[in-house]
Amino acid sequence: GAGVSQSPSNKVTEKGKDVELRCDPISGHTALYWYRQSLGQGLEFLIYFQGNSAPDKSGLPSDRFSAERTGGSVSTLTIQRTQQEDSAVYLCASSMTSGTQTDTQYFGPGTRLTVL
Amino acid sequence: AQKITQTQPGMFVQEKEAVTLDCTYDTSDPSYGLFWYKQPSSGEMIFLIYQGSYDQQNATEGRYSLNFQKARKSANLVISASQLGDSAMYFCAMREGYNAGNMLTFGGGTRLMVKP
Repeated sequence: GAGVSQSPSNKVTEKGKDVELRCDPISGHTALYWYRQSLGQGLEFLIYFQGNSAPDKSGLPSDRFSAERTGGSVSTLTIQRTQQEDSAVYLCASSMTSGTQTDTQYFGPGTRLTVL
Repeated sequence: AQKITQTQPGMFVQEKEAVTLDCTYDTSDPSYGLFWYKQPSSGEMIFLIYQGSYDQQNATEGRYSLNFQKARKSANLVISASQLGDSAMYFCAMREGYNAGNMLTFGGGTRLMVKP
């Protein structure tokens, strides 16, 4: 079946511009996660959506970052007024949350963001 | 303090030999899950194996096995009969708490290089 998809695969933008990154989770998966992978910081959690519950935004690095998930499926991560330190690979993952520890997160191919 | 520590930034292994990638973790929560992911140069994160804190036996998935030593808080990945395609970054990750929706915390990764 189809895995997690993300678009665009690469995004180059100028400092100060806004960007939107899209994630389409595996069909039927109720949980969706955004992570960021950068050379200096490794893999960091950003935000988590579970069904219709309020998202866990505890990992967002600043108020320039926001995300939404429409209809419990597709999610968009928005970065406003991009800075050079925002350059990273943004990874999306989804899982079928059955309420047990065995739920595995499956990752998409990522979006490589470069801020010039 | 680091929650997940991978002390081997890079490792070489001869093709067809076994290799152990180290992972130690730190948590006070009695309920947690440990995951290993593989990230080839193409960038996608591929789930390999899972170990739950209450599991009595070490997890195995094909050529992958997890050497889980709970008292030492270690969860080392063992890859048997290494193949050239095993060359990649390997990440250990932990999810704390019984709520399966919690995010993953990742270690810094180990780059494995398989020599022909």
